Amino acid sequence: GENVEQHPSTLSVQEGDSAVIKCTYSDSASNYFPWYKQELGKRPQLIIDIRSNVGEKKDQRIAVTLNKTAKHFSLHITETQPEDSAVYFCAASIPGTASKLTFGTGTRLQVTL
Amino acid sequence: NAGVTQTPKFRVLKTGQSMTLQCTQDMNHNYMYWYRQDPGMGLKLIYYSVGAGITDKGEVPNGYNVSRSTTEDFPLRLELAAPSQTSVYFCASRLTGEGQPQHFGDGTRLSIL
Repeated sequence: GENVEQHPSTLSVQEGDSAVIKCTYSDSASNYFPWYKQELGKRPQLIIDIRSNVGEKKDQRIAVTLNKTAKHFSLHITETQPEDSAVYFCAASIPGTASKLTFGTGTRLQVTL
Repeated sequence: NAGVTQTPKFRVLKTGQSMTLQCTQDMNHNYMYWYRQDPGMGLKLIYYSVGAGITDKGEVPNGYNVSRSTTEDFPLRLELAAPSQTSVYFCASRLTGEGQPQHFGDGTRLSIL
């Protein structure tokens, strides 16, 4: 089955700096890669996703890049703000498998003033 | 729309007791999923369903059962609760079709003593 690795496990940045979180996946058939943000005690919330026919997607301060050859994808957050502090999870999905998501182990992002 | 609703929000059980975690969605989503999230970890898939009357095992199904008699409801049952099942349980749903995002409920925090 699919395996997703996520790095780093913790990340501390100063407000206004950029943050980058990286994930690698094992199954080259995976074609859908969402990113979820989870605040303490809350539900995971989708912040951005990308499909395998696209190399990059942006939404305001958030962007995701995908390298299918290397089987890795990354989340980029620019101009970080204290409210960006949370745990971020990447995931991957293989088509034809009921779109089951395999999640990474999460990155705890702390944005300091 | 209320989205995905989970009840109860919190529960404490004794080892050997049974209980049902309720999940209902009002978005007419065919696909529904149950995950567990252990402290500091990612989400692991327990069971999933692609429509009423159809269920299948995920990555960690042992000790759990599900049913899907209607499109809206997807209850998760623990027959003989064990301390290893202490976790936060999330239910999610999505529309049919590749690349559709999963929408999560608020979770049930379950402690088994």
